[in-house]
Amino acid sequence: EPEVTQTPSHQVTQMGQEVILRCVPISNHLYFYWYRQILGQKVEFLVSFYNNEISEKSEIFDDRFSVERPDGSNFTLKIRSTKLEDSAMYFCAGGEDRASTGELFFGEGSRLTVL
Amino acid sequence: AQSVAQPEDQVNVAEGNPLTVKCTYSVSGNPYLFWYVQYPNRGLQFLLKYITGDNLVKGSYGFEAEFNKSQTSFHLKKPSALVSDSALYFCAVRDRQAGTALIFGKGTTLSVSS
Repeated sequence: EPEVTQTPSHQVTQMGQEVILRCVPISNHLYFYWYRQILGQKVEFLVSFYNNEISEKSEIFDDRFSVERPDGSNFTLKIRSTKLEDSAMYFCAGGEDRASTGELFFGEGSRLTVL
Repeated sequence: AQSVAQPEDQVNVAEGNPLTVKCTYSVSGNPYLFWYVQYPNRGLQFLLKYITGDNLVKGSYGFEAEFNKSQTSFHLKKPSALVSDSALYFCAVRDRQAGTALIFGKGTTLSVSS
């Protein structure tokens, strides 16, 4: 069964550094998302991406955050000038249709720890 | 703005007993509603969804949920709980008139004891 894969599984970085989280979505998916989950809290929407551009983003997704899908396969989340409060589990997700009715398929997450 | 409320942080049931995990939502238009489950150190897995039609929807692992428009609720149910159902459950909503992003509740931990 196809699955969404994410790397790294865990990244530790110093405050102020840049991190890149990578995701390989399921091949026939067209819509891509990043969510995050701070320990013990709810899953929060960050950004959605379709047709090589951002279609929606939340207030969390400030100008330190960026996404891209440079080679048509990997979908990356870059966080510049990391802050302590960026520490969370980051989930990549994808969907195959407009995704208004379809379910999303999630990766197992990348845990980011900012020290 | 869309929002989801899961009023219980934790639900405890004995194996074999029925379970209910509560969810209420708020959207400006008509909702699409979803339940996801998260096992330890894993990503979220889709359980079931309500799009239109029959208010009672059935999903994976014997779970079902009932859409109640007047009460803006979408409670998750199972007639007979299993120890293996113990996990974190998330309700999610998408406004049909809005974008494609799912908005999640804070999650409810289900603990099934043997």
